[in-house]
Amino acid sequence: QKEVEQNSGPLSVPEGAIASLNCTYSDRGSQSFFWYRQYSGKSPELIMSIYSNGDKEDGRFTAQLNKASQYVSLLIRDSQPSDSATYLCAVNRASNTGKLIFGQGTTLQVKP
Amino acid sequence: EPEVTQTPSHQVTQMGQEVILRCVPISNHLYFYWYRQILGQKVEFLVSFYNNEISEKSEIFDDQFSVERPDGSNFTLKIRSTKLEDSAMYFCASSDGRGDIQYFGAGTRLSVL
Repeated sequence: QKEVEQNSGPLSVPEGAIASLNCTYSDRGSQSFFWYRQYSGKSPELIMSIYSNGDKEDGRFTAQLNKASQYVSLLIRDSQPSDSATYLCAVNRASNTGKLIFGQGTTLQVKP
Repeated sequence: EPEVTQTPSHQVTQMGQEVILRCVPISNHLYFYWYRQILGQKVEFLVSFYNNEISEKSEIFDDQFSVERPDGSNFTLKIRSTKLEDSAMYFCASSDGRGDIQYFGAGTRLSVL
């Protein structure tokens, strides 16, 4: 079982639609969860962080965390072509080192 | 806005040569990390560094790798004898706390010929 699992996609949505990205993780002790956006050839850029169960909203982005189901998701409302990128789910395990475990990433394509 | 700075942006080297990748973390951050990403693959953890010592390293981080914080601002990754399979993007990251947001530098693309 992969430690952090994402559907690689591509996920294709029309401009203005809601994009839903999902991630599952295996370590029940995981405590911090992050969504990064990565454009081709670029570095990961933080979109959202979430630490407790429930929803967290920031502009067009909403992160959802369900620790019981070991599931974290990212919703992007009013998707724009500029949102086309790979979205990386990253999990910080219950350790004292800050090590992030990344998923493979989901490629999102927003079509005008 | 503070940012993590990495140099060089692209490093080309011959197999067996030593390379040093350099990073300047965000100034008030205490935790430093190196990750790598082979083309088309996921981002992989290499090493974390806190209080002037390694706090965790992955299986990838073998005896050919070392990290150093030679002064109050730089954080370096050294690969002593590069292999073809070391070709990848290497990202430096820093954070204020161990569970906190990690900010990534732009990366160094290492090409081993």
